[in-house]
Amino acid sequence: NAGVTQTPKFRVLKTGQSMTLLCAQDMNHEYMYWYRQDPGMGLRLIHYSVGEGTTAKGEVPDGYNVSRLKKQNFLLGLESAAPSQTSVYFCASDDRAGELFFGEGSRLTVL
Amino acid sequence: AQSVAQPEDQVNVAEGNPLTVKCTYSVSGNPYLFWYVQYPNRGLQFLLKYITGDNLVKGSYGFEAEFNKSQTSFHLKKPSALVSDSALYFCAVVGGGNKLTFGTGTQLKVEL
Repeated sequence: NAGVTQTPKFRVLKTGQSMTLLCAQDMNHEYMYWYRQDPGMGLRLIHYSVGEGTTAKGEVPDGYNVSRLKKQNFLLGLESAAPSQTSVYFCASDDRAGELFFGEGSRLTVL
Repeated sequence: AQSVAQPEDQVNVAEGNPLTVKCTYSVSGNPYLFWYVQYPNRGLQFLLKYITGDNLVKGSYGFEAEFNKSQTSFHLKKPSALVSDSALYFCAVVGGGNKLTFGTGTQLKVEL
């Protein structure tokens, strides 16, 4: 039982490059989330989805886009990476509010 | 908008001693409160939650939390700390849109 899987786990980008983070869950959860974790700031919600084909903005959505074409997958895209997007990104899913299952994280460095 | 405050960046405790990690919240309506734990280089793991009912909630690994409505607090506790409890702990509250808002985290260090 894999739970929530994120790929890639590590990535280094140059300013202006684009990339996509993939999140896959095998628990048939309706809700999926993307958070970023920065020192001293806790976790901040970037975007979320309440079901296949839906997305919504969270607390810090600027510079990111998401898609939920399949229920089990939630993609996070950076169209033009900036150094301020250097962070650890976490995907999570749940089927009711609160008891989130998290992936292991994706560490992104933008030079 | 809902918010959570964890006033201590770090808590140090000796193994075998009781531990408390503090959390206060602000939310309109009834609060749904959670604690998560993060071990190094891992994702967060759910520990326990308060939705309604008994103010003392028991969770994983011997942890418990006490909900206090008058003080708007939800402190995490354990009667006897273990070195393996050393980790980063996050308090969270569910607010509008059923989304979790996390605190900034408290690093717990348990020493021999």
